[in-house]
Amino acid sequence: SQKIEQNSEALNIQEGKTATLTCNYTNYSPAYLQWYRQDPGRGPVFLLLIRENEKEKRKERLKVTFDTTLKQSLFHITASQPADSATYLCALEGGTSYGKLTFGQGTILTVHP
Amino acid sequence: GAVVSQHPSWVICKSGTSVKIECRSLDFQATTMFWYRQFPKQSLMLMATSNEGSKATYEQGVEKDKFLINHASLTLSTLTVTSAHPEDSSFYICSARDLIAERYNEQFFGPGTRLTVL
Repeated sequence: SQKIEQNSEALNIQEGKTATLTCNYTNYSPAYLQWYRQDPGRGPVFLLLIRENEKEKRKERLKVTFDTTLKQSLFHITASQPADSATYLCALEGGTSYGKLTFGQGTILTVHP
Repeated sequence: GAVVSQHPSWVICKSGTSVKIECRSLDFQATTMFWYRQFPKQSLMLMATSNEGSKATYEQGVEKDKFLINHASLTLSTLTVTSAHPEDSSFYICSARDLIAERYNEQFFGPGTRLTVL
């Protein structure tokens, strides 16, 4: 069955450092991979989308890589700030689930001042 | 742009009653809206895909007679939880896709509705 795993449930880092979150998937051929931010009690907020034929995408302090051979995406936040503390979700779309998103379980990022 | 609203933001009801949740795209048109459910410390689980003017498509294991979805216009979809029970207590979130081609693959999420069934 299709499976999406985000490397850790929680990640704690110091302000100013780079946070790196991992999303691995199996039995899936996604056309798109997306990253979302979710704050407690709120809906997810779209951050970045990367297509299967793209290796890397950047947006301000955010960078996403997509390796379809390793079936892995890395999400980086550089110069992290306490305001970056939130749950980050990866989501895939494609294959037999085209048109629908399947979410990972999320990684709770805490940036300490 | 691309704002999705939900109403109500929270609701408490008695077991056996029905609850309606509205999802609106405020500044764009959405032919497709999605309904998700999220239990505490778990990820979002897709319940159904709602297409304007047609019947919703439900995911496996989701009872269509219990979770009634209506997508009457390009900016409004409603989810009605019928005969709610305590196990239906959850965080319900809708999302919508913009018709504009260049951002079609992005989904814009509402703020969610917290349902508590006593």
